[in-house]
Amino acid sequence: DVKVTQSSRYLVKRTGEKVFLECVQDMDHENMFWYRQDPGLGLRLIYFSYDVKMKEKGDIPEGYSVSREKKERFSLILESASTNQTSMYLCASSATGPYGYTFGSGTRLTVV
Amino acid sequence: ILNVEQSPQSLHVQEGDSTNFTCSFPSSNFYALHWYRWETAKSPEALFVMTLNGDEKKKGRISATLNTKEGYSYLYIKGSQPEDSATYLCAFFLGNFNKFYFGSGTKLNVKP
Repeated sequence: DVKVTQSSRYLVKRTGEKVFLECVQDMDHENMFWYRQDPGLGLRLIYFSYDVKMKEKGDIPEGYSVSREKKERFSLILESASTNQTSMYLCASSATGPYGYTFGSGTRLTVV
Repeated sequence: ILNVEQSPQSLHVQEGDSTNFTCSFPSSNFYALHWYRWETAKSPEALFVMTLNGDEKKKGRISATLNTKEGYSYLYIKGSQPEDSATYLCAFFLGNFNKFYFGSGTKLNVKP
């Protein structure tokens, strides 16, 4: 069964901490994405990557960075967590083209 | 930021009711539209991939239509059941950027 796995389902961090959210896919997909989902705002794209070591800013990249050292792994980094980064974070992967995404189960991050 | 709008934002129906909701997207540069179903505590899963004007797709009691010239897609659920309760997301694929733009979703609650 193909999978996108996010390392944590729930996470609580303190303001100012550096936070790593990990995502691993086993489908050999070229493209990987990080979204956040907030009530009434839908899924908003933070960063995406279409190849190893490549990254592109999405619509709301401020306060985040990413790392893709291997094809199967895409990490989202909150350099200094703030309360307005409390959200549900979803990772997704896809083959190149309009083939749809396979999503991870999400990480609900609370910054206190 | 490309605008993909879904309406209504939420919907409460009784078991057995039929219902429909709308996804509006830019009519120019259309490449593909996807519908996803997102149940609480699970990953979004793909329902339909729609690429041609006039497309009509069906999966059991759920169907979708596409009008690329006027920029909308409808999702229909016939005889809603409690297990249909979920958030339904549409996603517009912009080919030249190889990524999807998501609407904010329609949250459906079906009461037994």
